[in-house]
Amino acid sequence: GQQVMQIPQYQHVQEGEDFTTYCNSSTTLSNIQWYKQRPGGHPVFLIQLVKSGEVKKQKRLTFQFGEAKKNSSLHITATQTTDVGTYFCAAGLSSGTYKYIFGTGTRLKVLA
Amino acid sequence: ETGVTQTPRHLVMGMTNKKSLKCEQHLGHNAMYWYKQSAKKPLELMFVYSLEERVENNSVPSRFSPECPNSSHLFLHLHTLQPEDSALYLCASSQEGREGDIVHFGDGTRLSIL
Repeated sequence: GQQVMQIPQYQHVQEGEDFTTYCNSSTTLSNIQWYKQRPGGHPVFLIQLVKSGEVKKQKRLTFQFGEAKKNSSLHITATQTTDVGTYFCAAGLSSGTYKYIFGTGTRLKVLA
Repeated sequence: ETGVTQTPRHLVMGMTNKKSLKCEQHLGHNAMYWYKQSAKKPLELMFVYSLEERVENNSVPSRFSPECPNSSHLFLHLHTLQPEDSALYLCASSQEGREGDIVHFGDGTRLSIL
């Protein structure tokens, strides 16, 4: 069945270092979303990418959708302790469906 | 305030008990979901309701029984659960065609099976 893998599963970085998580799908996607879940909280929507090769930025966060629309990445520049949490990608399989398949998540820990 | 409210926030129950989890969304969405979150599977989709009809059931054991009486409310009825069912149960909602189907999650119910 459809799988969405994220790597790495865990990442510990020193505050100020960069961080990247990758999301890979076995099939071509309609779109992809990214969510952040703080410790003890629930996933919260960050951004959606739709177009092949699309790049979007939110302050220190850069999101990219692959040319083949099978993979995506989230890059954080100069991490801060507020970036701690688990980052999930959510793969949209096709337009007109309700279902998003969430990736396995990457848990980020930032050491001060 | 997430727009999706879940009760209770915490629940401890024995394997022979019957309980229900409740979810209410105040966002006017037409789809609602139950997810299970555990260390083994971070976000596992259990059920999807679209316009109050169940459109997806991901091979969930029958000891979990969902109910969607209207587009704003969703229940998860629990009976004779197993210890491995201990997890965080997240309710969510979305609106197809608006906001790009952004999924809005509730705070979850932390369930512990004794």
